[in-house]
Amino acid sequence: DQQVKQNSPSLSVQEGRISILNCDYTNSMFDYFLWYKKYPAEGPTFLISISSIKDKNEDGRFTVFLNKSAKHLSLHIVPSQPGDSAVYFCAAEGSQGNLIFGKGTKLSVKP
Amino acid sequence: DVKVTQSSRYLVKRTGEKVFLECVQDMDHENMFWYRQDPGLGLRLIYFSYDVKMKEKGDIPEGYSVSREKKERFSLILESASTNQTSMYLCASSLSRGFANEKLFFGSGTQLSVL
Repeated sequence: DQQVKQNSPSLSVQEGRISILNCDYTNSMFDYFLWYKKYPAEGPTFLISISSIKDKNEDGRFTVFLNKSAKHLSLHIVPSQPGDSAVYFCAAEGSQGNLIFGKGTKLSVKP
Repeated sequence: DVKVTQSSRYLVKRTGEKVFLECVQDMDHENMFWYRQDPGLGLRLIYFSYDVKMKEKGDIPEGYSVSREKKERFSLILESASTNQTSMYLCASSLSRGFANEKLFFGSGTQLSVL
């Protein structure tokens, strides 16, 4: 049973426009969420995180929004750049301190 | 910067072989993890460890074992490799348990092919 869901396997966006990547979770006890970015043949790298005491966290072009009542979070990238093309993983911190990942969304930003 | 080093980028093994995947981190992190990444399945946790000689099963431990004899090193062992263990294996480490400390640092991965 998947606890962290990324329902869109892929997303294509024009350079300069906004990219919105979505993530849903099922466990209301989750209170810390992270986004990772992965290029082919490399390990994932940390992008941005948010705790449940906030509904928004911003870092440059990247903003994460958390809607606890809907158990939904989203990552916004504005403006999108071709170098943002990668697989993005949403993750939640589990009860044992491990991270539970979604299946990922492949973002393609076209010039 | 934290560095997590995996000993091999690419590995080809035969069915039934015993396979060792090695991982070393250089930032004195307490926690270490092994994940595998498969297309359409995301990152799945195999095993993790919060301290030397300690290990915990993740979501898919079957067919794997681990060893953590030193704090900086975490080994994943495939006792008898099978074709369904062909995958990208990712090692990660984090400082300690707890809020805001679960930022994982990943190695570059080992692409294992079992023939």
